[in-house]
Amino acid sequence: GAVVSQHPSWVICKSGTSVKIECRSLDFQATTMFWYRQFPKQSLMLMATSNEGSKATYEQGVEKDKFLINHASLTLSTLTVTSAHPEDSSFYICSASRYLYEQYFGPGTRLTVT
Amino acid sequence: KQEVTQIPAALSVPEGENLVLNCSFTDSAIYNLQWFRQDPGKGLTSLLLIQSSQREQTSGRLNASLDKSSGRSTLYIAASQPGDSATYLCAVYKNRDDKIIFGKGTRLHILP
Repeated sequence: GAVVSQHPSWVICKSGTSVKIECRSLDFQATTMFWYRQFPKQSLMLMATSNEGSKATYEQGVEKDKFLINHASLTLSTLTVTSAHPEDSSFYICSASRYLYEQYFGPGTRLTVT
Repeated sequence: KQEVTQIPAALSVPEGENLVLNCSFTDSAIYNLQWFRQDPGKGLTSLLLIQSSQREQTSGRLNASLDKSSGRSTLYIAASQPGDSATYLCAVYKNRDDKIIFGKGTRLHILP
């Protein structure tokens, strides 16, 4: 149990376009989902926290207009990278909170912006 | 501000050896602590979750300990195997707001 999926697993897009990444909790309802970003050989950095039905809370330094987060249901959160640029290329990982203080992580999405 | 440090940053050991990975955190007011494994280009695999009231957890050849008062956790891997090669991440759950702070990880390479 407690499986989190992400789609797509990898995506290549052209500079200036937008790309959407989905995060789903497959067998549980998650009131809170988290989005992380990971650069090569670096650790995960929390980008934002999203709660179902409310606006996401962004960490300091994360552009909310560039990284749009929608948490429409208890099993789905989406991250849209708008007007992507090469510096947005990264590994994006989501997690879902099944219980307080216990997160389950998705397999990640590799974004490459050309 | 909570900071999580993992030492060493990288480690290479011959197959069969027992080894210890270290994690320290600056603020002892944590809730849970979790160890993850990450293979290159992949997501996170949860290894062990230690709740704040616990002092250790064991799973197979892995044993993780937690000493909140000193701000330390260790991950012990017994009889290491080449398949154990990966990056190991330590993460602490901040008290009250359910956010995780990750360490930078230890890149482990087991030599066959």
